[in-house]
Amino acid sequence: EIVMTQSPATLSVSPGERATLSCRASQSIRRSLAWYQQKPGQAPRLLIYGAFTRATGIPARFSGSGSGTEFTLTISSLQSEDFAVYYCQQYEDWPPLTFGGGTKVEIK
Amino acid sequence: QVQLVESGGGLVKPGGSLRLSCVASGFNFSDYYMSWIRQAPGKGLESVAYMSSSGSVVYYAGSVKGRFTISRDNARKSLYLLMNSLRADDTAVYYCARPYYMDVWGKGTTVIVSS
Repeated sequence: EIVMTQSPATLSVSPGERATLSCRASQSIRRSLAWYQQKPGQAPRLLIYGAFTRATGIPARFSGSGSGTEFTLTISSLQSEDFAVYYCQQYEDWPPLTFGGGTKVEIK
Repeated sequence: QVQLVESGGGLVKPGGSLRLSCVASGFNFSDYYMSWIRQAPGKGLESVAYMSSSGSVVYYAGSVKGRFTISRDNARKSLYLLMNSLRADDTAVYYCARPYYMDVWGKGTTVIVSS
């Protein structure tokens, strides 16, 4: 089973600043990585797939990069609606599809 | 509009059973693998079970294997999860989602296992 590790667990950022979230896979997953945003009481929402392709309707301030075992989600200028928990997930080698433990982006 | 709607959650005693349902609309359900994902209170996301489009391939997480059964009815565009021998650590919001990356999610249904 591929283990996904996210860091940091919590990221404190001021509105308008850049946020950089990391995700590491225990073995190469090429570019088979997705990022999700989850707000309290809501289902996760797909942001990025294929490591860097934005899902439909996702603003350009969200960008993904990386390949192999190291990946990054960057939010270029945080808006109030971006404060949430973010998860990465691999789909290169499954079952199972595995998620990282999440990064909470909170207001500084 | 692509949509998944779960139902069937509730409060159940340890050792009890529940059957969750997920109804799909807006896409050709019979073409897709489908999955159940759960999230315990304050915790992350856990894959519970998957089923292939025809139903011939299934996967269960080790924590639920032997207790949960996934099934589907393509004619009804529905996915099911029969949960037996429920334990307190099965308490979670259960989501129906369309893998491999989960581009479509339901809103979830809450299962609480407590005496």
